[in-house]
Amino acid sequence: NAGVTQTPKFQVLKTGQSMTLQCAQDMNHEYMSWYRQDPGMGLRLIHYSVGAGITDQGEVPNGYNVSRSTTEDFPLRLLSAAPSQTSVYFCASSSAEVYNSPLHFGNGTRLTVT
Amino acid sequence: GESVGLHLPTLSVQEGDNSIINCAYSNSASDYFIWYKQESGKGPQFIIDIRSNMDKRQGQRVTVLLNKTVKHLSLQIAATQPGDSAVYFCAEKSRGTGFQKLVFGTGTRLLVSP
Repeated sequence: NAGVTQTPKFQVLKTGQSMTLQCAQDMNHEYMSWYRQDPGMGLRLIHYSVGAGITDQGEVPNGYNVSRSTTEDFPLRLLSAAPSQTSVYFCASSSAEVYNSPLHFGNGTRLTVT
Repeated sequence: GESVGLHLPTLSVQEGDNSIINCAYSNSASDYFIWYKQESGKGPQFIIDIRSNMDKRQGQRVTVLLNKTVKHLSLQIAATQPGDSAVYFCAEKSRGTGFQKLVFGTGTRLLVSP
């Protein structure tokens, strides 16, 4: 049981480039979320999804797109990378069936934009 | 806006001591709180949770205390071990929202010396 898998682990982009951060979970969780983690700050919610075909914005959505075509996958797209998007990105999932189900996190993608 | 924060950025203890990590929150609508542990290079890992209708909950070597009057949350770790060295985050969920929208504190680093 792999849990939440994120790829790649590390990525360097130049300003203006685009890329997709991949996230997959094998726990059949309905809820999935993307967070970014910056030094001295807690995790901040970028986008989230409560099920396939349903997504919504979090606290810091600008510059990012998401889609949820399947229950398992929740990719995060950077349309035109900026240095301010240098961060560690975490994908998380949780079950909607169990009340107060805690989030399960992947091990993160460390992104540097130069 | 609403926020969740921590009093101490770094806590250094000796192996075998008891550790207390504190967290203040400001959202009166918070109904659920979680403590996460994050080791270097990994995603946050669930430790223990507590609902707002409780003031104490115990796990294995960990206890969470909730004081709603002063909006304060603490994590107590008994007989701290070197393996407990990590960054600890508190997170809260607002009433009426799901786990896809947790709000995280900035984190406290726990350093355990042998």
